[in-house]
Amino acid sequence: EIVMTQSPLSLPVTPGEPASISCRSSQGLLNTNGYYYLDWYLQKPGQSPQLLIYLGSHRASGVPDRISGSGSGTDFTLKISRVEAEDVGIYYCMQTLQIPWTFGQGTKVEIK
Amino acid sequence: EVQLVESGGDLVNPGRSLRLSCTASGFTFGDWAISWFRQAPGKGLEWVGFVRSRAYGGTTEYGASVKGRFTISRDDSKSIAYLQLNSLKAEDTAIYYCCKPRDTAIWGSLHHWGQGTLVTVSS
Repeated sequence: EIVMTQSPLSLPVTPGEPASISCRSSQGLLNTNGYYYLDWYLQKPGQSPQLLIYLGSHRASGVPDRISGSGSGTDFTLKISRVEAEDVGIYYCMQTLQIPWTFGQGTKVEIK
Repeated sequence: EVQLVESGGDLVNPGRSLRLSCTASGFTFGDWAISWFRQAPGKGLEWVGFVRSRAYGGTTEYGASVKGRFTISRDDSKSIAYLQLNSLKAEDTAIYYCCKPRDTAIWGSLHHWGQGTLVTVSS
């Protein structure tokens, strides 16, 4: 099983400031088709999760361009260039390269 | 508009069974894999399993904690996916979500999620 490790687990942020979340996998996530099978989700309070970034770096439809994903191999990063109040919630990375699909522990983002 | 609506959640005794439904609309259901996830109260997300579309054999995959107890199936004529939960344990208490990926050939990257249905296992 691929183990996903996120850091930090708690992230107080100031509106307008940047924020970054790290996700590390115990094995590389590169598929033979050239894509990294790593997605990012945000679960806002009281809501279902929503897809933010798919295949490592591709922004899902409707996601603002201040949110971006990057990385390779076993190290991936979600960045928010300027945090807004609507960004609060729990962020999860998930790998779907290998069954079982596995999540990171989640990073709780709160406004300071 | 794509919609996924879960139903069937309930309070059940340990050892009993329950069947959840995921009713889909707004897309050609038979072309898409459907996944199930769950979230225990105050905990993180856990993958339960998924069923491939008929084009990929309609086969299923499961997480270790539910394998052998849970079964995913689909009725493409009704646009419904099912999650049969058997031999329920207290640790199966969770909100269960069904999801649709953004690509017919890449089954992760879950772009659409239902609102979830709550299963509580308790005596």
